[in-house]
Amino acid sequence: QKEVEQDPGPLSVPEGAIVSLNCTYSNSAFQYFMWYRQYSRKGPELLMYTYSSGNKEDGRFTAQVDKSSKYISLFIRDSQPSDSATYLCAMPNSGGSNYKLTFGKGTLLTVNP
Amino acid sequence: KAGVTQTPRYLIKTRGQQVTLSCSPISGHRSVSWYQQTPGQGLQFLFEYFSETQRNKGNFPGRFSGRQFSNSRSEMNVSTLELGDSALYLCASSPSGARTYEQYFGPGTRLTVT
Repeated sequence: QKEVEQDPGPLSVPEGAIVSLNCTYSNSAFQYFMWYRQYSRKGPELLMYTYSSGNKEDGRFTAQVDKSSKYISLFIRDSQPSDSATYLCAMPNSGGSNYKLTFGKGTLLTVNP
Repeated sequence: KAGVTQTPRYLIKTRGQQVTLSCSPISGHRSVSWYQQTPGQGLQFLFEYFSETQRNKGNFPGRFSGRQFSNSRSEMNVSTLELGDSALYLCASSPSGARTYEQYFGPGTRLTVT
């Protein structure tokens, strides 16, 4: 079983829709949960991260963690065409090393005008 | 603050050759990590350096190596290139201390092996 699983999509939504992106993980040692956005031909950009369980909101983006289910989500409200990108979840502390991120494979999102 | 820079951005090499990629971290960041990104495997951790020392290495053959200089700049080297080494190679830097999990990526070097 992979440490981090993410549905690759692709996911296509109309502009203004609420988008839900999800990952599951198996390693109980994970404490931080990161979301990266990667545009085509660019490096991943750190969007936001949460520590332990709960919600965190940043503008149109909300990250949610449910440690009991080992399930994390990223919600995008009022989605825009500029949100079209691949979204990757990542967790540090694989093997006790906070700088070693384990990534999901990414979900490709397209927001249609 | 300037972001992470990587050179070159694109590279085409032939099987059997070797290649060196360069990364300059964000000013003040002393930790530099390298990742390989392919469509099939996604992003995979290669290694991480801090204060010129490799602290951890991923599951890659010994053909993949790296180093870090006293100014925190880092290089990675791949010897005896194989077709399967074609990938986007990403460098990330992170602050020291408790925030080492915050990794900021450069644009990557796209390596094509023919």
